[in-house]
Amino acid sequence: EDKVVQSPLSLVVHEGDTVTLNCSYEVTNFRSLLWYKQEKKAPTFLFMLTSSGIEKKSGRLSSILDKKELFSILNITATQTGDSAVYLCAVLIQGAQKLVFGQGTRLTINP
Amino acid sequence: GAGVSQSPSNKVTEKGKDVELRCDPISGHTALYWYRQSLGQGLEFLIYFQGNSAPDKSGLPSDRFSAERTGGSVSTLTIQRTQQEDSAVYLCASSPRWGVEGYTFGSGTRLTVV
Repeated sequence: EDKVVQSPLSLVVHEGDTVTLNCSYEVTNFRSLLWYKQEKKAPTFLFMLTSSGIEKKSGRLSSILDKKELFSILNITATQTGDSAVYLCAVLIQGAQKLVFGQGTRLTINP
Repeated sequence: GAGVSQSPSNKVTEKGKDVELRCDPISGHTALYWYRQSLGQGLEFLIYFQGNSAPDKSGLPSDRFSAERTGGSVSTLTIQRTQQEDSAVYLCASSPRWGVEGYTFGSGTRLTVV
């Protein structure tokens, strides 16, 4: 069974801290890994990673994929209260058109 | 439209009743997906439509769930004889073609079965 596991499930930090969110996966036929931010209902797209070792960056957020060890990390530096959200990791299975999601990490940034 | 539109945004129904949830994808997007998110959980795939091809229904949890997509645009997810375990947020997403490039989610319908 295809599985995506995120850790930690919940994280509370102070504004200005750096956080690292983890995503590991066990799937039959990997194509890509995606990160989403979910603040209320609609997840919004952050990154799609297909190749190992290539860092994707957007402002204070960055992510990298390790296809040998089957995991990805999402880093957020100099966190702000607006970064508070649930961060979802998902894997696209080659040959299927559906994403398999992890449980999410609930990140809370305190001022 | 500018984004994926879902209605209603909230629905409270009595156990045993049927409900219909609607999704209006981004104009021109040929791929449409339904997901379910139970409290504190990740998203669970339900069904996928691509153009005129037969839908992938492999995620539908029981035969009480069905979905259709008329004219390659609007989709309706129907849950018959609702149960309390059906309570969840139902999210719809669309993309320009198969795959996830430009995969955009709607704001979802929060279904509560009492």
